[in-house]
Amino acid sequence: GAVVSQHPSWVICKSGTSVKIECRSLDFQATTMFWYRQFPKQSLMLMATSNEGSKATYEQGVEKDKFLINHASLTLSTLTVTSAHPEDSSFYICSARPRGRQGLDQPQHFGDGTRLSIL
Amino acid sequence: GESVGLHLPTLSVQEGDNSIINCAYSNSASDYFIWYKQESGKGPQFIIDIRSNMDKRQGQRVTVLLNKTVKHLSLQIAATQPGDSAVYFCAEGGYQKVTFGTGTKLQVIP
Repeated sequence: GAVVSQHPSWVICKSGTSVKIECRSLDFQATTMFWYRQFPKQSLMLMATSNEGSKATYEQGVEKDKFLINHASLTLSTLTVTSAHPEDSSFYICSARPRGRQGLDQPQHFGDGTRLSIL
Repeated sequence: GESVGLHLPTLSVQEGDNSIINCAYSNSASDYFIWYKQESGKGPQFIIDIRSNMDKRQGQRVTVLLNKTVKHLSLQIAATQPGDSAVYFCAEGGYQKVTFGTGTKLQVIP
């Protein structure tokens, strides 16, 4: 149980293109999803917290107009990298926390990431 | 603040031996800790968690130890296997968000 699917797994595109990444919880509902960015041989850095039906909360230093997040349902959050440039190339990973366990710590479940390469 | 490393420390272990991966956390108010395993090109996979009211928790072949006095967490893997080769991250936090540690690369020598 608690499977998170991320799509696409790999994308290469030209500079200036906008890229959308989808994160789906397949067998549970997720009120909250998280988006991370990971550079080679480094840890995961939280970019933003995506809340169903409301605006995402961005971490300091993350441009909300650059990284658009939409969480329209309890099973889907999307991250759109707008007008992507080579410096946006990275491994983007989403995670989701099962709904209904308020106040009780539960581990996040992660997707398998999207490797984004901007030429 | 965030724990982000510029390089990954590596632990090399002979197959069949026990592995111990250590982690120092920064927030003394953290009350929930998780160990994740990340294989190359994949997302982190949950291994085991522990709450701050415990100092030890065991799973299948894995044990997590928590020392709140010195803000130290460790993951012990018994009878390490080649399939255990991966990067291991400790993470601290609760419902709102999780902060990841630097990570340790575990290399299992056949």
